[in-house]
Amino acid sequence: RKEVEQDPGPFNVPEGATVAFNCTYSNSASQSFFWYRQDCRKEPKLLMSVYSSGNEDGRFTAQLNRASQYISLLIRDSKLSDSATYLCVLGENSNYQLIWGAGTKLIIKP
Amino acid sequence: ETGVTQTPRHLVMGMTNKKSLKCEQHLGHNAMYWYKQSAKKPLELMFVYNFKEQTENNSVPSRFSPECPNSSHLFLHLHTLQPEDSALYLCASSQEVTGGSAFFGQGTRLTVV
Repeated sequence: RKEVEQDPGPFNVPEGATVAFNCTYSNSASQSFFWYRQDCRKEPKLLMSVYSSGNEDGRFTAQLNRASQYISLLIRDSKLSDSATYLCVLGENSNYQLIWGAGTKLIIKP
Repeated sequence: ETGVTQTPRHLVMGMTNKKSLKCEQHLGHNAMYWYKQSAKKPLELMFVYNFKEQTENNSVPSRFSPECPNSSHLFLHLHTLQPEDSALYLCASSQEVTGGSAFFGQGTRLTVV
C-alpha cells in the first residue's frame, strides 16, 4: 500500500461548483499534514496546513480524520484559477521527510 | 526577488556531459532539499541539508552529487546521467528539518539525450 494515496483525476468541475477530494495515508504516526497546489510546469506551493480541528481559508476548507486516516480538501465557489494539481503531504516529527502524494488534477471549466 | 531561486530553468545535456544545478534561498532557512519530480509520480526526496550538513541521502545514484557551501546555497552536480534521469529537479528550503512546510524554487527541467 502506498504511503499516501490520491485519486489522480482529473476532476472536471464547472465554475462556481463545490468540489472535494480526499487523501488517505497509511502511517498512523504522521503528525503534520498539508495541501500544496502545483500549477502546470510550476513548482509546488503551500496552500494550507491541516490541523486536527480543521482549517478554513476563504473558499478552502481542509479536514483531518485520524481515525480513518485521511485528509480532505473542499473548494467552494470554484474559480478558473483553481485549476491545478493538488498535492497531499504528510510530515513525521520523528524524521525530516515530507511524504508526498502524486496529486489530484482539478480542471475548472467555464 | 523570489524566496528560492534555481538556475538554469531548462537544461539539455548528453550522457557524457557534466553540469551543475544551482539553488539559492533568501529566506534565512536552515534546511535545504533536492527533490526529483517525474511525470505522474510523487516528489522523490533526494538529499537533505541541515545547517550545511548533509543529513539524508535517499539511495541516490552517485552520478548525482550535492554540495552545500553555506546555508543559502545548494548545488547538484550531474555527470554521466541516463535518459531516465530526465525530470524536473526542485530545490526547497524550510526553517527547520522537522517535517514542516517547505518553499520551492521554480525547478530545473532536465532532459538527458
